[in-house]
Amino acid sequence: DTAVSQTPKYLVTQMGNDKSIKCEQNLGHDTMYWYKQDSKKFLKIMFSYNNKELIINETVPNRFSPKSPDKAHLNLHINSLELGDSAVYFCASSQEPQPDYNEQFFGPGTRLTVL
Amino acid sequence: RKEVEQDPGPFNVPEGATVAFNCTYSNSASQSFFWYRQDCRKEPKLLMSVYSSGNEDGRFTAQLNRASQYISLLIRDSKLSDSATYLCVVTRGTGRRALTFGSGTRLQVQP
Repeated sequence: DTAVSQTPKYLVTQMGNDKSIKCEQNLGHDTMYWYKQDSKKFLKIMFSYNNKELIINETVPNRFSPKSPDKAHLNLHINSLELGDSAVYFCASSQEPQPDYNEQFFGPGTRLTVL
Repeated sequence: RKEVEQDPGPFNVPEGATVAFNCTYSNSASQSFFWYRQDCRKEPKLLMSVYSSGNEDGRFTAQLNRASQYISLLIRDSKLSDSATYLCVVTRGTGRRALTFGSGTRLQVQP
């Protein structure tokens, strides 16, 4: 019954490694997002996909690469992890009728710790 | 200047108190406004949307002043379960848009 799920929930890894976080939504939404919440609890958009098409790409290092195999999935791959990548990563989804705006539903988050 | 600014708190209030949170945003093109709630180590969840005419949902009242680019949330008769971080959220403007979050105001309701 989970609407937006993420795996893994916790990820501890060494600097320089490559890791992936997976996200799936079963709400039938057409738009998915990745957010990063840093140690100061500030939530910031990283990427957004609409029907597998990248529509928002913030000034995120190109070590971060999102991939959307279908509209229910949006994965995040991170190369050459750095200490500053330690944060909680939230996936979210929404249905975006224009011109209105709908609620975004968030996954439980993935807590990434880079040692 | 941050796109969305909030007083970080914490606001420590007794049960039953009325508490008000304020927020200002810098992008005059923002179209939609929300308050989200985030419990400790959990994901954000929508508390309520905010409309220009003001809107109420039980003990919660939200107000928007577009001219001043100011948003408020009033919580009446605070409960212990209201303890959380309240995030002021705006959209960026027209077109495909994501949410811009304030850093949140932490509320601690005490018995």
